[in-house]
Amino acid sequence: SYELTQPPSVSVSPGQTASITCSADKLEHQYVYWYQQKPGQSPVLVIFRDTMRPSGIPERFSGSNSGNTATLTISGTQSLDEADYYCQAWDSYIALFGGGTKLTVL
Amino acid sequence: EVQLLESGGSLVQPGGSLRLSCAGSGFTFSSSAMTWVRQAPGKGLQWVSTISDSGDRTYYADSVKGRFTISRDNSKNTLYLQMSSLRVDDTAIYYCAKATGTTSNWFDPWGQGTLVTVSS
Repeated sequence: SYELTQPPSVSVSPGQTASITCSADKLEHQYVYWYQQKPGQSPVLVIFRDTMRPSGIPERFSGSNSGNTATLTISGTQSLDEADYYCQAWDSYIALFGGGTKLTVL
Repeated sequence: EVQLLESGGSLVQPGGSLRLSCAGSGFTFSSSAMTWVRQAPGKGLQWVSTISDSGDRTYYADSVKGRFTISRDNSKNTLYLQMSSLRVDDTAIYYCAKATGTTSNWFDPWGQGTLVTVSS
C-alpha cells in the first residue's frame, strides 16, 4: 500500500534552515500538505498544494515536491517552530499521513 | 472566524458505541467537505473519514470501514461520527476539520478534539 515516509526527528540550530522530507513512490504526482502540531495543541496547516502558504503562516515556511520526495523547508528557524510536522497526501480517495517528524531547535 | 467544536468523547467499553459531533461556525458549512482525523496517545495522525458538502459521498479508512459512519446535518451545521464495535485501538483524540479542495483535500482548520477511550 502507499505510504508516506518521514524521518522521526530533525534537529536545527536557531536561525538555520530546517528541511523535513516526506517520501513515497512518484509522490510528485500527488499534492502534498504539511501540518504543524505543538504539544497539547491541534494540528495547523502550514503548506497546501505542495508550495502554497495559508494566510497567517510566516514566509519562512516553504514547500517543494519533486520525484519521490516532498520537502518542508523552514528558513531562519525559530524556537517557536519546535513541533511535530506531518505530511499528508491522497491515494485513491484515502488520505494518508506520514509518521511525523519531531523538529528540535537547539 | 471559522470555528469547529467537537463533543461526545467519553470512556466506552470494547464492543460499545459512541457518537461524536462537530459543530461548525464562521463559514458556509453546507458548502464544505468535512473530515475526521484521530490521534492515539503519543502517536501520529490517522485519517478516519471524509464526507462531501452535500453528504452524498463518504470515504473511510480501511481500519474503520463497516464500523464507523460519517454523516452531517447541514441545517444544524453539524458533522457526526457514529462509532460502533469499538476496539481498544480506537482510543484516540478525534479531531474534525474542514476539508478544502476538489479531488485532493487539505484540512484546515481543525477543532480542539474530543477524547475517546475504549477500555474495560
